[in-house]
Amino acid sequence: LAKTTQPISMDSYEGQEVNITCSHNNIATNDYITWYQQFPSQGPRFIIQGYKTKVTNEVASLFIPADRKSSTLSLPRVSLSDTAVYYCLVGTSGTYKYIFGTGTRLKVLA
Amino acid sequence: DAGITQSPRHKVTETGTPVTLRCHQTENHRYMYWYRQDPGHGLRLIHYSYGVKDTDKGEVSDGYSVSRSKTEDFLLTLESATSSQTSVYFCASSDALAGYNEQFFGPGTRLTVL
Repeated sequence: LAKTTQPISMDSYEGQEVNITCSHNNIATNDYITWYQQFPSQGPRFIIQGYKTKVTNEVASLFIPADRKSSTLSLPRVSLSDTAVYYCLVGTSGTYKYIFGTGTRLKVLA
Repeated sequence: DAGITQSPRHKVTETGTPVTLRCHQTENHRYMYWYRQDPGHGLRLIHYSYGVKDTDKGEVSDGYSVSRSKTEDFLLTLESATSSQTSVYFCASSDALAGYNEQFFGPGTRLTVL
């Protein structure tokens, strides 16, 4: 299993773009990268998923370089409501072999 | 969002007592999971189920058992609770195995073992 490493915490101000990087040096060819968001006292919620290059949805963008040894979750123009823990997950399609990162606690300041 | 509920939401128990946590989903998802969440460890998979009566161990299964008698229900049992099992427990479900596919999580159960 690809071990993942994320920063423990980050602070940002409202309106700024936030980039959270996850390292997964041992990622396998068939592994995908998924990001989840978790608010206090709630379960995690799916944000975005990708395999390589760039993926964008209405909430975030995910950048994955060609070597796929890392990925960056980009949140445009954060607001106070984006304060949460963000988890990176690397997993193989069709298996239960996946691992959650320890999460990055993002605090958005006014 | 998938309709997934957990009960109880909070529980305090004593060391050595049995505890059962319940997860109920209304999405007819085939796969269901139990996780524990602890500071510094993120989410760790305890057990998962790939169908009625079909279960398998995850990363931290020692001291836990599970059962799934209906598609919608997945039970987690601590046969004899220990203080190291104090944690927040999350249930999740998905329509395909979770290595790639989106999981839908319940609200969690905070368990304290005294």
